[in-house]
Amino acid sequence: GENVEQHPSTLSVQEGDSAVIKCTYSDSASNYFPWYKQELGKRPQLIIDIRSNVGEKKDQRIAVTLNKTAKHFSLHITETQPEDSAVYFCAAAGDMRFGAGTRLTVKP
Amino acid sequence: KAGVTQTPRYLIKTRGQQVTLSCSPISGHRSVSWYQQTPGQGLQFLFEYFSETQRNKGNFPGRFSGRQFSNSRSEMNVSTLELGDSALYLCASSFLRDRAYEQYFGPGTRLTVT
Repeated sequence: GENVEQHPSTLSVQEGDSAVIKCTYSDSASNYFPWYKQELGKRPQLIIDIRSNVGEKKDQRIAVTLNKTAKHFSLHITETQPEDSAVYFCAAAGDMRFGAGTRLTVKP
Repeated sequence: KAGVTQTPRYLIKTRGQQVTLSCSPISGHRSVSWYQQTPGQGLQFLFEYFSETQRNKGNFPGRFSGRQFSNSRSEMNVSTLELGDSALYLCASSFLRDRAYEQYFGPGTRLTVT
């Protein structure tokens, strides 16, 4: 099955800075790469996704980039705010395997 | 549309018992997946059901089983519970859009095994 590696496991930034989380995958047949945000005690929420026919997608302060040749994709959060603090998970479909998660802390 | 629902939300069981968790997907979604979430292990894929058939399976022992009904509702069963089964069990329903399955999570069932 798919193997998804996610880095870093923890990330601390100052409010207003940017945050970048990277994931690599192994299955070249994967065609869908979602990102989820999970706040403490809540369910994972889909925040952005990208399909294999696109290299970049942006939604306000968040963006995702995909490099199919290198088999990696990244989440970029600009102008971070304290409410961005959460655990972020990447995933790669086919069979929707998740990365181990990144705990992002935004310091006010 | 109503979101994914899971029952019960909290459960306490003792070792050796069995437990059944239920998941109702978003209306129209035919795929339901189950995940185990523990603090140190992230989201571990258990299995996926589509149209009442198990389509994918993760690396969990046979004590973990599931099924899906004709209305797409799914149940997960864990037999002979162990302390290590304490976790948040999440189900997610998904639908096909642009050749990919978008997945939405339920609130989870927190299982504590004592």
